[in-house]
Amino acid sequence: KQEVTQIPAALSVPEGENLVLNCSFTDSAIYNLQWFRQDPGKGLTSLLLIQSSQREQTSGRLNASLDKSSGRSTLYIAASQPGDSATYLCAVTYVRGGGADGLTFGKGTHLIIQP
Amino acid sequence: ETGVTQSPTHLIKTRGQQVTLRCSSQSGHNTVSWYQQALGQGPQFIFQYYREEENGRGNFPPRFSGLQFPNYSSELNVNALELDDSALYLCASSPGGGNTGELFFGEGSRLTVL
Repeated sequence: KQEVTQIPAALSVPEGENLVLNCSFTDSAIYNLQWFRQDPGKGLTSLLLIQSSQREQTSGRLNASLDKSSGRSTLYIAASQPGDSATYLCAVTYVRGGGADGLTFGKGTHLIIQP
Repeated sequence: ETGVTQSPTHLIKTRGQQVTLRCSSQSGHNTVSWYQQALGQGPQFIFQYYREEENGRGNFPPRFSGLQFPNYSSELNVNALELDDSALYLCASSPGGGNTGELFFGEGSRLTVL
């Protein structure tokens, strides 16, 4: 079964710290991997999309890496701020479905940045 | 540029009833997909529509059905509602068929089944 796992499930750190969120997937045959942010009761905001041929993507204080061979991605957040508090979701498009099997999501990492 | 919009934002139904949720895709996007997110879980793929045809489906029973219209907006219909159907229903749009591009999500419709 193709799955996505995110560790840790929850994380609380003081403001200003750099932090890393982890995502692992069970099949290296992917089209892409996408990181999302979700605020309580809200929809998903796309943060970064990494195509299977790429190793990393950067947007502002966020950097996402992709290692297909090991089935891992990390989301690095630099100089964290209280406004970064949210749930961060990792999602993969597996090749087997031809891209029409939808995204497979992890359960997310609930992040709290303490002021 | 208008993003993905969904309606209604919240609704309450009773077991056995039917519900229709609506989604307008982002301008220029011809692919719409629907996801169900139970509390504390990641979203689960329901199905995807491309040019008015269903071209992908997750592990959901036939009482979950959908439509896509010529303007690429979409509906999700759920018949014979069950308590476990209570969830946040998310619509996402993307350019092109399949899911090889970036997905953009709406704010969701929160369904409560009593």
